[in-house]
Amino acid sequence: SQQGEEDPQALSIQEGENATMNCSYKTSINNLQWYRQNSGRGLVHLILIRSNEREKHSGRLRVTLDTSKKSSSLLITASRAADTASYFCATVLTGGGNKLTFGTGTQLKVEL
Amino acid sequence: DSGVTQTPKHLITATGQRVTLRCSPRSGDLSVYWYQQSLDQGLQFLIQYYNGEERAKGNILERFSAQQFPDLHSELNLSSLELGDSALYFCASSVGAHSGNTIYFGEGSWLTVV
Repeated sequence: SQQGEEDPQALSIQEGENATMNCSYKTSINNLQWYRQNSGRGLVHLILIRSNEREKHSGRLRVTLDTSKKSSSLLITASRAADTASYFCATVLTGGGNKLTFGTGTQLKVEL
Repeated sequence: DSGVTQTPKHLITATGQRVTLRCSPRSGDLSVYWYQQSLDQGLQFLIQYYNGEERAKGNILERFSAQQFPDLHSELNLSSLELGDSALYFCASSVGAHSGNTIYFGEGSWLTVV
């Protein structure tokens, strides 16, 4: 079963615009991670945010975490065509070892 | 390149058959994970090994089994295959077994059951 739900399911923007994807989850987490998947390819780790952190940056990526609302967002600034991919949030549950429970994903399309 | 190597990349087999998927973790990683990605189920955790021992089990069918060898490579065995087993199977690895260790994924093995 899916722990996380992502919103929107699909997003289409123009190059240079910002893209925001949201993830909601159901139970207490240890950390939350975002991954990117190009069509039919492997999952690329983007960023990990721990439950005691509220915001984290990595290059053009900004991730926020609100544990009171059980939600996270991924912001990609100044998007490029190469950012076209599916983006997944994945949670590590409290007491759940290190296994990831994935959300349903957001398909991002960045058009020239 | 994540450093996690999976073979084969693509595999087509008939129902009822048995296949083995192989994974080499990143150098230095002791923990190996297997995930299944299908259109209807999404990304599902199957099983985790740490330094040769089973560490956690997820939605893995009884027809499926895995192991991690002393050299830390891992194999996922899928038997009595059904059409519904067609999916992308990922291997992933991390240094440790505890939460907070970043998990790196391979490119996956595409399995098609016909």
